[in-house]
Order: sequence, then C-alpha cells, then structure tokens
Amino acid sequence: DAGITQSPRYKITETGRQVTLMCHQTWSHSYMFWYRQDLGHGLRLIYYSAAADITDKGEVPDGYVVSRSKTENFPLTLESATRSQTSVYFCASSDVTDDQPQHFGDGTRLSIL
Amino acid sequence: TQLLEQSPQFLSIQEGENLTVYCNSSSVFSSLQWYRQEPGEGPVLLVTVVTGGEVKKLKRLTFQFGDARKDSSLHITAAQPGDTGLYLCAGGSQGNLIFGKGTKLSVKP
Repeated sequence: DAGITQSPRYKITETGRQVTLMCHQTWSHSYMFWYRQDLGHGLRLIYYSAAADITDKGEVPDGYVVSRSKTENFPLTLESATRSQTSVYFCASSDVTDDQPQHFGDGTRLSIL
Repeated sequence: TQLLEQSPQFLSIQEGENLTVYCNSSSVFSSLQWYRQEPGEGPVLLVTVVTGGEVKKLKRLTFQFGDARKDSSLHITAAQPGDTGLYLCAGGSQGNLIFGKGTKLSVKP
C-alpha cells in the first residue's frame, strides 16, 4: 500500500546512545520532514529535505542529523541522545512545494532514560 | 517569527452540541490547512483553504479562511464522539508550513 511508514513505533534508550529513526514513503514525494511533538509546544520542525541529497534545518535541529541518499527514505539520527529529546517524532512528506499539504506517518514514541 | 494561535486549547462538550475553533495570526498565509490527529496516529489533512473569504464544508465541518488570509475557523455542527481528537491548523508561507499548537476536542456521548 502507498503511504509513509515510520520505524520503530516505540523505542527506549539511554542517554548518550545513538539512535536512528527510519522513515519510508512510497509516493515519490519530493519533500520530506521530521517533526517532534511535545505537550505545550505542538509540532516543531527538526529538519526537512527538498530532494535527495538536499537537507535543511528547521526550528529545532540541534542534536539531530539527517540524510537523504534516496528519495523514499529520510532517516533521523540522534547522535548522543539526551533526556530532553524524549518525544514523539513524526515524519511527513509532500509533493511539489513545501507549503503544500503534508502526509504524516504514525510516529515514533522515543523515551530516553 | 510567524505564529499561529489556536483557541481554545481544550474543549469538552456533549454529543449534539455545536462548536467553533479558531486559528489566528498577525501574518498573512498563502494557504491554511486543518488536520485532525487521533491518539497514537499522525495528523490527517481535513481541508486546505487558499482564497481569502473561502468557505469549505466537509459533512458537519465548516472551514472558513479570513478575508485577509490571517485567520481561519472550524465549525462543527452536532458534534459526535467520533469528532474527538486534536485539531491542528497549519499555515503556508514563504516555503514553510507553520503549525498551531492545536485544540483538543472531547465529545462525550
């Protein structure tokens, strides 16, 4: 089925560890995004990508790394996880331009102990 | 910095009541989108409005874009428990999509 898939759905890790969240979309959308959603803050953009090998920072990029070697994949890596990065992470994609409607995955709930 | 303020933050009503949720900004947006998010899932697009003054209807939901394209409202008629969820507005401008913090709606049977 066409769509956007995030994995894992749930992850528990410890501070200082590296963790990678995966995102895969089957629509061949040009744009992909990573958000974190926290109580009181809503959805905040971490990084986005306009095409393969093109990425740019969003509102809260510190502590995160992204890559986009293929159009359909957009992994998000926390190089050295901190407790403040405990959150629900959403990947999204959209077609054409980056202010068009976005299609979201079901999220990864990440807990850092 | 562009901001979208949503009000109210929380709303708890009985089945059959009507309600309106607001999304306001001091900035002009090229388009405005409304999403609904249910627990454990990602936001799902309900509607996009692009023209000032535009009104769109989706069954019992009515969406309006302000004339100046700075604000929007969502009106639900005869709310049902299935309408329960987090309603997010998002504005498009200069290549970015800005999200409001959402209105959490609970409709009790």
